[in-house]
Amino acid sequence: AQSVTQLDSQVPVFEEAPVELRCNYSSSVSVYLFWYVQYPNQGLQLLLKYLSGSTLVKGINGFEAEFNKSQTSFHLRKPSVHISDTAEYFCAVSDNTNAGKSTFGDGTTLTVKP
Amino acid sequence: ETGVTQTPRHLVMGMTNKKSLKCEQHLGHNAMYWYKQSAKKPLELMFVYSLEERVENNSVPSRFSPECPNSSHLFLHLHTLQPEDSALYLCASSQDRTGLGYTFGSGTRLTVV
Repeated sequence: AQSVTQLDSQVPVFEEAPVELRCNYSSSVSVYLFWYVQYPNQGLQLLLKYLSGSTLVKGINGFEAEFNKSQTSFHLRKPSVHISDTAEYFCAVSDNTNAGKSTFGDGTTLTVKP
Repeated sequence: ETGVTQTPRHLVMGMTNKKSLKCEQHLGHNAMYWYKQSAKKPLELMFVYSLEERVENNSVPSRFSPECPNSSHLFLHLHTLQPEDSALYLCASSQDRTGLGYTFGSGTRLTVV
């Protein structure tokens, strides 16, 4: 079985400040890791994913995440946020032995204030 | 446009009504999923279809009935719903079932009155 814990349910930050959204996972096998973003009244959009290779993954909208196997973490970062980054962010994990099914965290609400 | 289209975007229905949600993808994906997203709750996986065959049903009440006539289309038929079924229903697709990530639709916001 696999699970995902997003450590912060809400993260308020000021515009142009850096942000880190934390995600920890547990799994008994190798995993794929994802971050999705959900804007109000929209579906989820894939921000970035780690499948293999370099542990630093760059995604859309200036976001990046680092896979840390020893700490079983996959934290999402952005050096300078914009008002438009206000959204819900979901971390997810899947493995290729579980028929492609992803397990999602509970989500982190990022609120960027002017 | 994400490549996965859901209709309608909004639906209000009475508890005795019958309605259907539609999902369509032309990404060449072979797996499709229905998720339920309720306020203050985690995403709930409802059904998984792979190559038009239902491969997973996560203890969903029988008032929800999925249908996958081909690999591009997925329906969720609704009847005699309860107010607690009000939620955002999300469709997603993926290439095979290799766990390489989903493409989601924009969802149908369902309100049961």
